[in-house]
Amino acid sequence: DTGVSQDPRHKITKRGQNVTFRCDPISEHNRLYWYRQTLGQGPEFLTYFQNEAQLEKSRLLSDRFSAERPKGSFSTLEIQRTEQGDSAMYLCASSSPLLDRGREQYFGPGTRLTVT
Amino acid sequence: AQSVTQPDIHITVSEGASLELRCNYSYGATPYLFWYVQSPGQGLQLLLKYFSGDTLVQGIKGFEAEFKRSQSSFNLRKPSVHWSDAAEYFCAVAPGNTPLVFGKGTRLSVIA
Repeated sequence: DTGVSQDPRHKITKRGQNVTFRCDPISEHNRLYWYRQTLGQGPEFLTYFQNEAQLEKSRLLSDRFSAERPKGSFSTLEIQRTEQGDSAMYLCASSSPLLDRGREQYFGPGTRLTVT
Repeated sequence: AQSVTQPDIHITVSEGASLELRCNYSYGATPYLFWYVQSPGQGLQLLLKYFSGDTLVQGIKGFEAEFKRSQSSFNLRKPSVHWSDAAEYFCAVAPGNTPLVFGKGTRLSVIA
């Protein structure tokens, strides 16, 4: 069990550029979550997948954001036309229905995005 | 809508002193409750969780939390704080089989 991994750990981009983040969940975890955390705040839910299916998206996920999990394993989160307000830590988590019915989530180290 | 309140933004304690971090939630039924810890620039690590049963739950690193239904609270405690406990602590609820709802966090500073 190597834990949840995220890549890159840090990303600096200029406003208007597109960025893509990757998350590799714990193997055999069929649920994968994306959260966003801004300075001084707790993580806020963005979206989650069960296998390949995107089951829920929050209102925070504007149309500039898109997430995929094509084969039910790793996931990508893309932000198009980045804005300074997108600067945040993007956290990925995964869970298994075999562990407390999937309620216990394991978090990755996060990707810190800075938009200049 | 479900919500979590952590009333203390920042707490400073002396090393060796006891600690209590407060958490109140708003939800119609008993939710699933969690405490996570986050060191600077890092992801979140689960300290402990409450789903049902004994209302006093033990976690890692010597932490414990008590669920009080009448007060809608799930306070985190530690009898003797170590300097390495300095971090941000987040209370979270999962109202059913849904994504977590987090509080805004309490930053813990430990002084000698």
